[in-house]
Amino acid sequence: QTVVTQEPSFSVSPGGTVTLTCGLSSGSVSTSYYPSWYQQTPGQAPRTLIHSTNTRSSGVPNRFSGSILGSKAALTITGAQADDESDYYCVLYMGSGVRVFGGGTKLTVL
Amino acid sequence: EVQLLESGGGLVQPGGSLRLSCAASGFTFSSYAMSWVRQAPGKGLEWVSAISGGAGGSNYADSVKGRFTIFRDSSKNTLFLQMNSLRAEDTAVYFCAATPVSSGWYYFDYWGQGTLVTVSS
Repeated sequence: QTVVTQEPSFSVSPGGTVTLTCGLSSGSVSTSYYPSWYQQTPGQAPRTLIHSTNTRSSGVPNRFSGSILGSKAALTITGAQADDESDYYCVLYMGSGVRVFGGGTKLTVL
Repeated sequence: EVQLLESGGGLVQPGGSLRLSCAASGFTFSSYAMSWVRQAPGKGLEWVSAISGGAGGSNYADSVKGRFTIFRDSSKNTLFLQMNSLRAEDTAVYFCAATPVSSGWYYFDYWGQGTLVTVSS
């Protein structure tokens, strides 16, 4: 069974840039997996940031961007702010209607 | 404004059944694919099931296949999840999510606030 992998945790300084990644336990992520990214703070519903690799959802600041970097999907936050401190999840479309979440990355801004 | 309001969660014994509802408003329900995503306490998000717009097809995660059924009632703009043979590991907050069919329903666009299901004796 293919597992979607994310860094368990990451830290960034205020104003800094951070890139979170989303990979596969076997194989490479491409645009054909339609990677999407979600932000979630404790006790809240997820918020959609990016879909279809690099399309920002409505209202999402342009300091959030998505891409494919090497064999992984990537979410880059440029000019990190304190309220970016959240859990970030990626989703890959595996075909046959199946979507799989990564385990999530806990981002600390300090 | 798009709104998704889940209900139907609660405490149920192992082996029991529960039906979740998600009332949708602020968009053309039949033009949106709908999904259920869950989150066990202190854990990450897990996709559970999805159904296409209109009377389209549905898909399930292996963990719930054969036990859960997703369906929708367009006359009531409501999504449902019938959960049977519940197990302790089904304990989670269940979120419904909506995505425009026109954009491909590979992701989750709008989210509800979730309803808690607890499976315990």
